[in-house]
Amino acid sequence: GAGVSQSPSNKVTEKGKDVELRCDPISGHTALYWYRQRLGQGLEFLIYFQGNSAPDKSGLPSDRFSAERTGESVSTLTIQRTQQEDSAVYLCASSLGSSGGIDTQYFGPGTRLTVL
Amino acid sequence: AQSVTQLDSHVSVSEGTPVLLRCNYSSSYSPSLFWYVQHPNKGLQLLLKYTSAATLVKGINGFEAEFKKSETSFHLTKPSAHMSDAAEYFCVVSDQGNNLFFGTGTRLTVIP
Repeated sequence: GAGVSQSPSNKVTEKGKDVELRCDPISGHTALYWYRQRLGQGLEFLIYFQGNSAPDKSGLPSDRFSAERTGESVSTLTIQRTQQEDSAVYLCASSLGSSGGIDTQYFGPGTRLTVL
Repeated sequence: AQSVTQLDSHVSVSEGTPVLLRCNYSSSYSPSLFWYVQHPNKGLQLLLKYTSAATLVKGINGFEAEFKKSETSFHLTKPSAHMSDAAEYFCVVSDQGNNLFFGTGTRLTVIP
């Protein structure tokens, strides 16, 4: 079946502009995660959605970052007034969201954001 | 081309015994290598990373990994397993373009 998809695959923007990144999770997956990876760094957790629960926003680096999710489907990550340090690959992952046990995450291909 | 192979999909150890999670990589360049842990209903957490400094890398929670170029390996070890180590572990390679290549994961079970 279809995996996690993200769009756009690449985004180049100018400093100060807003950007929106999209993630389509695997159908039926209730959990959705956003991560960021800057060049040479490890993955950085940003935000986690689980069903209708309040999202875990503990990883968002500043109030310029926000994310929404429509039900248990598509999610958008918005970065306002982009800065050069926002340049990174933004990864989305989804999982079944089963309670207890290990819930394997499936990652999308990522969106490479470059802020000039 | 870059790729990662995690040799074991499932590893089971007794509490207090050593942990070994195996990872082999393929990279055309000098790679950056990472180990991540995923606990139930949590996001991925970085355990440790190798970025061409010391070949023996120490991470959080007592884990360490050794980069062996001759064997193209980056195995994750811990001297003594705790119950809280039960999780899924991912080996990841990053190339110079910051593209990520994930292993398929190893599920660690710790038996009391």
